[in-house]
Amino acid sequence: NAGVTQTPKFRVLKTGQSMTLLCAQDMNHEYMYWYRQDPGMGLRLIHYSVGEGTTAKGEVPDGYNVSRLKKQNFLLGLESAAPSQTSVYFCASHASGETDTQYFGPGTRLTVL
Amino acid sequence: TQLLEQSPQFLSIQEGENLTVYCNSSSVFSSLQWYRQEPGEGPVLLVTVVTGGEVKKLKRLTFQFGDARKDSSLHITAAQPGDTGLYLCAGSTSGTYKYIFGTGTRLKVLA
Repeated sequence: NAGVTQTPKFRVLKTGQSMTLLCAQDMNHEYMYWYRQDPGMGLRLIHYSVGEGTTAKGEVPDGYNVSRLKKQNFLLGLESAAPSQTSVYFCASHASGETDTQYFGPGTRLTVL
Repeated sequence: TQLLEQSPQFLSIQEGENLTVYCNSSSVFSSLQWYRQEPGEGPVLLVTVVTGGEVKKLKRLTFQFGDARKDSSLHITAAQPGDTGLYLCAGSTSGTYKYIFGTGTRLKVLA
């Protein structure tokens, strides 16, 4: 039982390049989330999913796209990376109720030059 | 836009001291969670409070949800170096399945 895993752990991109961050969970959770964490700003919700095949926008969705084709995977895409997207990205999941424990992955540190 | 303000932002104290971290909002939340995050790792849930006025204890940590469910506090008694980390509160509104995170309190406990 690995919990929530994220790939890759680190990445450096040049402005305009694209990439996909992969989040996988093996707990059969319905809900999955992508956050970004910047110094002094806590975590901000980018996109989330309430089940396989569904996605919804969070607080800061611009410049990102997501897909949830399989229940266990939640992909975050950057089509044309910008320096403002330099951040640490966290994926999280939880089972059903809003008071359920939200489990976080270890994070992906992305730098856009 | 819902916001959660945490105070203080930074706290450096000696081992054995007590401290309180505050999480405030002008919005009402149906539940509020507290997390601790270590460097290089994701946040780990400490507690969830759902009822106005609710108090929960986790060893030396005491969590309280405000009567109006707009604020919360975390009190640590006799802090230890192992309590060092970033403390985050997160609020959720019923039916939205979205969590709003606070700005965080970075705690350092010196031996």
